[in-house]
Amino acid sequence: GDQVEQSPSALSLHEGTGSALRCNFTTTMRAVQWFRKNSRGSLINLFYLASGTKENGRLKSAFDSKERYSTLHIRDAQLEDSGTYFCAAPGTGGYKVVFGSGTRLLVSP
Amino acid sequence: EAAVTQSPRSKVAVTGGKVTLSCHQTNNHDYMYWYRQDTGHGLRLIHYSYVADSTEKGDIPDGYKASRPSQENFSLILELASLSQTAVYFCASSDWGTNQDTQYFGPGTRLLVL
Repeated sequence: GDQVEQSPSALSLHEGTGSALRCNFTTTMRAVQWFRKNSRGSLINLFYLASGTKENGRLKSAFDSKERYSTLHIRDAQLEDSGTYFCAAPGTGGYKVVFGSGTRLLVSP
Repeated sequence: EAAVTQSPRSKVAVTGGKVTLSCHQTNNHDYMYWYRQDTGHGLRLIHYSYVADSTEKGDIPDGYKASRPSQENFSLILELASLSQTAVYFCASSDWGTNQDTQYFGPGTRLLVL
């Protein structure tokens, strides 16, 4: 079935630095969505992409359907960026969404 | 901004008891979903619905029932709660089939079964 491999599973950053999260898909997905689970446990919608790239503040996401991957870049990381980040994509069943296992990001001073 | 609300936000239940989690959306979306999220896992689909008065099984439906009495409301029911059902539950809605079938999530319900 559809699978999403998300990496890394955990990431530690110092304030002001940056890194990238990645999701690889086993099949061609038509879109990808990125979320952050914040300290209160809520899922915050970050990006929805059907192709190309999108940028919002210090976050930038890219999606390549043909190459079957998506990335989420974080630059100038701040303490409030800490949380668990998930990617998700519509599965071949259409309505179904498959999720990555998440990346736990910890930003420290 | 799309709005999905859940109640309760947290609950402690006893093993064998009945638990009902409620979800309400004001997005006018056809699709609604219930997921559970366990530490170290992504979200897993329990039940979903694409029209009122109809529900469908997701990937892990065992031990759960769902009810969609109206387009706006979608409930998840645990008839006999078990320890293994301790998790965070998320409700979502989406207007699937459009170019922007983004999933909009509720804030989550933290369920602890003792």
